[in-house]
Amino acid sequence: LAKTTQPISMDSYEGQEVNITCSHNNIATNDYITWYQQFPSQGPRFIIQGYKTKVTNEVASLFIPADRKSSTLSLPRVSLSDTAVYYCLVGPSYNTDKLIFGTGTRLQVFP
Amino acid sequence: EAGVVQSPRYKIIEKKQPVAFWCNPISGHNTLYWYRQNLGQGPELLIRYENEEAVDDSQLPKDRFSAERLKGVDSTLKIQPAELGDSAVYLCASTYGGTANTGELFFGEGSRLTVL
Repeated sequence: LAKTTQPISMDSYEGQEVNITCSHNNIATNDYITWYQQFPSQGPRFIIQGYKTKVTNEVASLFIPADRKSSTLSLPRVSLSDTAVYYCLVGPSYNTDKLIFGTGTRLQVFP
Repeated sequence: EAGVVQSPRYKIIEKKQPVAFWCNPISGHNTLYWYRQNLGQGPELLIRYENEEAVDDSQLPKDRFSAERLKGVDSTLKIQPAELGDSAVYLCASTYGGTANTGELFFGEGSRLTVL
């Protein structure tokens, strides 16, 4: 199973773009990259998933370079409500059985 | 559509007492997971069900933890007897199984257990 490494914490201010990078050097050919967001006292919530290049939805963008050994979650113009823990997970395509949550990145957004 | 429902949200018990958590997954989701999340850590998988069958319980401490998923819908996670180290949030998640799996887990709000 691919191990992921991401920063423990990040700080930002409202209105800024936040980029959280995740390293996954031993990602397998059929592995997808998935990001979850978790607010205090809630379960994690799926944000975005991708395999290569760029994926964008209404919440975030996910950038994956050609070698796929890392990925970057981009949150445009963050607000206070984006303060949360963000988890990067790597696992077989469309298979949630092998997903392993690390300690995540704690994002604090200041006014 | 209702999400994953868990109860109770909070439970405080004394050590050596039993405790049970209940989960109602999203309708149609035949795969159900129980996770444990310690403070400051990510969720750790305890057990996974495909319908009513526990297909992965390798991380479940079987001396004191048990789980069941009768009729392949609701599930119950039990701890007996509870220990101080069991204090954590217990999360239930569900998803479609097999080829219908989109790679997205749907989590409940969790049950926070405090063992005194």
